[in-house]
Amino acid sequence: DIQMTQSPSSLPASLGDRVTITCRASQDIGNYLRWFQQKPGKSPRLMIYGATNLAAGVPSRFSGSRSGSDYSLTISSLESEDMADYYCLQSKESPLTFGSGTKLEIK
Amino acid sequence: QVQLQQSGTELVKPASSVKISCKASGYTFTSNYMHWIRQQPGNGLEWIGWIYPGNGNTKYNQKFDGKATLTADKSSSTAYMQLSSLTSEDSAVYFCARGSLFDYWGQGVMVTVSS
Repeated sequence: DIQMTQSPSSLPASLGDRVTITCRASQDIGNYLRWFQQKPGKSPRLMIYGATNLAAGVPSRFSGSRSGSDYSLTISSLESEDMADYYCLQSKESPLTFGSGTKLEIK
Repeated sequence: QVQLQQSGTELVKPASSVKISCKASGYTFTSNYMHWIRQQPGNGLEWIGWIYPGNGNTKYNQKFDGKATLTADKSSSTAYMQLSSLTSEDSAVYFCARGSLFDYWGQGVMVTVSS
């Protein structure tokens, strides 16, 4: 199975900060990488697909990038509504695997 | 608009089975995969498998082989997941999610396994 190593597990940050969350794939997954945001008691929301493409309705302060086997989600200027859990997902190969999650919280 | 409406909370006994549903609307049900995902309390997300309603083909995470069975009813645009031989480990929220993009999700079904 492809392992997705996500870091950090917790990220305290201040409003207005630029923050980055990273997932490292244990094998080549090309651009088959998605990012999701999940707020407490809610379903996950697609933020980024194809590693770098912004999903419909997602604010432009979110972006995705790739460097080799490292995939990053960046929020350019943190807003209060961004406080949530974030997960990556690889869909290159079955079984599809999620990262372990990052809890983004106010410092 | 696209909607995935899941069935309600389930409280079930150990060793029993449960079948939860995901009713799709606002798109062509038979032309999109439907994925199922588990989230145990306080934990992350695990992919269970997918079904392609157009032909009934399925693919499972080996971890859930024998635990989950995915089916779909084209006439009602509803996908189902049956979970069998339930234990406390199966207590979780179960989501359905549409297609290759995972762009639409159901609201989740909480399944609690308890005697």
